[in-house]
Amino acid sequence: KAGVTQTPRYLIKTRGQQVTLSCSPISGHRSVSWYQQTPGQGLQFLFEYFSETQRNKGNFPGRFSGRQFSNSRSEMNVSTLELGDSALYLCASSLWGANVLTFGAGSRLTVL
Amino acid sequence: TQLLEQSPQFLSIQEGENLTVYCNSSSVFSSLQWYRQEPGEGPVLLVTVVTGGEVKKLKRLTFQFGDARKDSSLHITAAQPGDTGLYLCAGTNSNTGKLIFGQGTTLQVKP
Repeated sequence: KAGVTQTPRYLIKTRGQQVTLSCSPISGHRSVSWYQQTPGQGLQFLFEYFSETQRNKGNFPGRFSGRQFSNSRSEMNVSTLELGDSALYLCASSLWGANVLTFGAGSRLTVL
Repeated sequence: TQLLEQSPQFLSIQEGENLTVYCNSSSVFSSLQWYRQEPGEGPVLLVTVVTGGEVKKLKRLTFQFGDARKDSSLHITAAQPGDTGLYLCAGTNSNTGKLIFGQGTTLQVKP
């Protein structure tokens, strides 16, 4: 079966812009989690969605938001980009409550 | 704040050597996972351990969960260049059910 698909894989933005990242989970997986990965901070949890509802949220400012659609696909949005938002954004899908994650390849965001 | 501390952070060894990576916390976990991440890819699950004292083997990789379920180790025998990557441990907090990731260990195996 197809894995977790993230688009775009690479993107470059400038400070103050906004960005939307997309994630298509494995078929049958209804839980989608988002993580930010940087060399200094490691993997930081952003949020988790299940059945179109945000179930858990990490410690990120309100500029970071997300949503999930009825087909379980998810998007995350970062507004008013800052240099420090440069990172690899990883999406992972799972069965609800399983905590066994299947990750996508990530979206590498560079903010100039 | 719950922490999972991994050590060492970086490891560079020659092909054929053995190594051990550690994952430690003051918190109890109901389960612990190990992932490997290669450059340009997302982490891939290697193993999940759930019972204190549990040992699992995956070819040359041996994973152990501490008796108190607060720590874990990953031992690689006769490392190969294909083992190169970032190794991440992740624990599920036994009270909250939340998944916490360690900072990772970057392993480089030179041919």
